[in-house]
Order: sequence, then structure tokens, then C-alpha cells
Amino acid sequence: DAGVTQSPTHLIKTRGQQVTLRCSPKSGHDTVSWYQQALGQGPQFIFQYYEEEERQRGNFPDRFSGHQFPNYSSELNVNALLLGDSALYLCASSLGEFDLSSYEQYFGPGTRLTVT
Amino acid sequence: AQKVTQAQTEISVVEKEDVTLDCVYETRDTTYYLFWYKQPPSGELVFLIRRNSFDEQNEISGRYSWNFQKSTSSFNFTITASQVVDSAVYFCALSEATAAGNKLTFGGGTRVLVKP
Repeated sequence: DAGVTQSPTHLIKTRGQQVTLRCSPKSGHDTVSWYQQALGQGPQFIFQYYEEEERQRGNFPDRFSGHQFPNYSSELNVNALLLGDSALYLCASSLGEFDLSSYEQYFGPGTRLTVT
Repeated sequence: AQKVTQAQTEISVVEKEDVTLDCVYETRDTTYYLFWYKQPPSGELVFLIRRNSFDEQNEISGRYSWNFQKSTSSFNFTITASQVVDSAVYFCALSEATAAGNKLTFGGGTRVLVKP
């Protein structure tokens, strides 16, 4: 049973550039969430996608955008990169229906983004 | 707004000692879920336990045990007879039960170092 996968593993970008991170959910899951984890801190919720629409959004600027495809995979896009965007970006998947079982989120290994 | 506080930033113990991680949460909702995740050096968040707000029964799973006290808004986690492999960062998280989504609000994490 394939777990949550993310690509790439590591990425180095320059300030002002744009980046796209990718996530494939765990088999059977239809909801994808993205989190940003700065060094030494807990993950911060960016947004969640369900049925190809953004369902919830955290306190992140519009430079952060996303997309979910019909196969439930997802992309996170960040425009006009800032040094402060350097972090580990984690993707999590779960079931989207309003059911107790949907509240268990499975995380991928993350993409470490460094902005120079 | 939801908030999770993990007052202990780092705990260092010698192998076989017990270690207790504190977690205090804030929420205005009557229905919510509490979680503990483990993050080893590899970076991937590993799910350990989920508790809903109506279930205050404490739980033991192997060397792990959890103490949920709604009256004090605490959800503490104990590792009994710690092992070197328990060295990791542990996160407490909170999720509200809404149809809008199941975003997780994380605490800042507690780094546990188990020395041989």
C-alpha cells in the first residue's frame, strides 16, 4: 500500500523565483493538505484540497496557491519566493468525508526548500 | 482560535528512564480531536494516537501511554522505559470537527533525546 509521496526531495531556489511542489496521496485518500514547517517549529497549515477545490486555508499570502487533479494528486505553487519561505513542506492526505476516520492524516516525507 | 502549547522544548533522558511530554490546548469547540505525532530525523511525521473530545479514557499502547484531562485542557504523553530509537521531535496537534475541513493545529514540538 503506497503511502504519501512527495517530489522533489530537496530544492534550491533564488529569491523572486517560483516553485512547484508535488504530492500524491495515500491510496484511497481523496483529500490533500499542505503544511509549512520552518526549522525548529511545528508545521503550519497552508491549505486543504478536496474534490479539486480549496476547502480550507491557513494564514498564508496569495503567493501560495495550489491545485488538485482528478486523480487526487496535488501541487503547491509559491510565487515571488522570499528567504522566509525556506522550510520543509509537508503534504498530508486523508479521507474527505465527514467521518471520524477522516481525521487521521498521513504525512509524506516532505520537500525541503531552500531560498537563497 | 485554536492553540496548542508544548512548554518543553527539549528533554534529555538516559535509556530506560520514563519521559512525559506535556501538551495544553485551547479551543472554543465542544467537539475536537487531539493527536500526537512523532518526527524522526528523516522528517516524516508519524501518527501515534488520536483522541476525540468525548473520550477521556486514558490509553496504553506498549511503552506509550496518554493522559487526556478535559478539565485542564491537557493531553500528555508518556514513554515508559525509553529507548534510543525514541529520540525524535514529538508534536501534539488539535483538529476541530467541522465539515469545512480537518486542518491540524500543531504545538511547537518537544525534542526528546535518549542517551544510551
